[in-house]
Amino acid sequence: QVKLLQSGAALVKPGASVKMSCKASGYTFTDYWVSWVKQSHGKSLEWIGEIYPNSGATNFNEKFKGKATLTVDKSTSTAYMELSRLTSEDSAIYYCTRSGVRAPYVMDAWGQGASVTVSS
Amino acid sequence: DIQMTQSPASLSASLGETVTIECLASEDIYSNLAWYQQKPGKSPQLLIYYANSLNDGVPSRFSGSGSGTQYSLKINSLQSEDVSIYFCQQNYDSPYTFGAGTKLELK
Repeated sequence: QVKLLQSGAALVKPGASVKMSCKASGYTFTDYWVSWVKQSHGKSLEWIGEIYPNSGATNFNEKFKGKATLTVDKSTSTAYMELSRLTSEDSAIYYCTRSGVRAPYVMDAWGQGASVTVSS
Repeated sequence: DIQMTQSPASLSASLGETVTIECLASEDIYSNLAWYQQKPGKSPQLLIYYANSLNDGVPSRFSGSGSGTQYSLKINSLQSEDVSIYFCQQNYDSPYTFGAGTKLELK
């Protein structure tokens, strides 16, 4: 079945960067968009952006432009998100998702989430 | 950005009861509306897309309806496993925004 396996929790210092991974299995990785979603304070969700693994094309929420960088490695069916210049506002759980199967920008498979804590 | 307003913020209901959660968009989203369920300590999971299409494997006691700016999620015959936070999401226009969530608990 479809699985998205994310990297583990990270504790990072303010001003630093963090790169997280999302390994896909159970489907053809290059056929569907991978979207990333932020969940802060255990409740609200924000769409960060998406990447199409086949071409590397990306679309971003304006709020996260300059903050998030999305890449993929097609050879390992892995998507990556790097967050830069971290502040306490970036402390959250980040999910990778598969989107565009049921409807555009609708996420039908989710990773288990990666917790990022920004603290000195 | 399109604002998605969910109500109520929290809800307490008894087993077997029918519950309804509402989602109001700040503009017409032409049925481009999805619902997700997030069980405690788990990732969100897709329930419904295009306002009323049930995702594979989702029990038929879940249903969605609505059009324009007003949408709802209905759960018939509430089960204990339905205790979750429910989110709506508009997929009409970027950025694809979510509601703040409705926490459903058992009475």
